[in-house]
Amino acid sequence: QKEVEQDPGPLSVPEGAIVSLNCTYSNSAFQYFMWYRQYSRKGPELLMYTYSSGNKEDGRFTAQVDKSSKYISLFIRDSQPSDSATYLCAMPPSYSGGSNYKLTFGKGTLLTVNP
Amino acid sequence: DGGITQSPKYLFRKEGQNVTLSCEQNLNHDAMYWYRQDPGQGLRLIYYSQIVNDFQKGDIAEGYSVSREKKESFPLTVTSAQKNPTAFYLCASKVTVTNEKLFFGSGTQLSVL
Repeated sequence: QKEVEQDPGPLSVPEGAIVSLNCTYSNSAFQYFMWYRQYSRKGPELLMYTYSSGNKEDGRFTAQVDKSSKYISLFIRDSQPSDSATYLCAMPPSYSGGSNYKLTFGKGTLLTVNP
Repeated sequence: DGGITQSPKYLFRKEGQNVTLSCEQNLNHDAMYWYRQDPGQGLRLIYYSQIVNDFQKGDIAEGYSVSREKKESFPLTVTSAQKNPTAFYLCASKVTVTNEKLFFGSGTQLSVL
C-alpha cells in the first residue's frame, strides 16, 4: 500500500461549483498535512497546512483532516477559472530520531474550472 | 523579494553531455532539495542537503550529482549516466530540515535533443 494516495483526475467543474479534493494515507505517524497548488509549468506553492483533525478555513479554501479514517480533503467554494491547477497533498515524516527528512507527496489532482 | 531562483527555465541536453541546473535562494534556509517531476508520477526526491557541505541521496539519485558549497546555492548536475533525463526539475528549500513547510522554485524543464 502506498503511503499517500490521491485521485489524479482530471476533474472538470463549472465556475462557481464546490470542489472536493482528497487524499488517503496509511502512516498513522503523519501529524501535519499540507496542500500545494501547482499551475502548469510552475513550481508548487503552499496553499494550506493544518496540524490536527478538524477544519481550517482560509477564504474560499477549507482543509479538513480525519485522522481516524486517515483521510484529508481540500474544499474550494465558488470555484474560479483561476483555480485551474494541479493540487498536491503532502505530509512530512514523524521526526522521532530517524534520518528520513523527505515530504511524502500525493501524485496530484488536475482541476479545470470552466467559465 | 525573497525566494528561490532556478535557471535556466528550459534546457536541452545532447546525448553524452553533462548539464547543470542552477538553484539559488535568498531565504536564509538551511535545507535544500531537488525533485524530479514526470507526468503521472508525482514528485520524486533526487538529493537533499541539510547544511552547507552536506548532502544525502534521495530516492532516485543515480545519474545525478550535487554540491553545497554555499548556503544559498545547490546546483544539480545531470550526468550522461542518467539515461532518461527529460523531466521537470524542481528545487526547494526549508528553514531547517525538521521544519515542515517546503518552498519551491519555478522549475527547469530539461529535454533531450
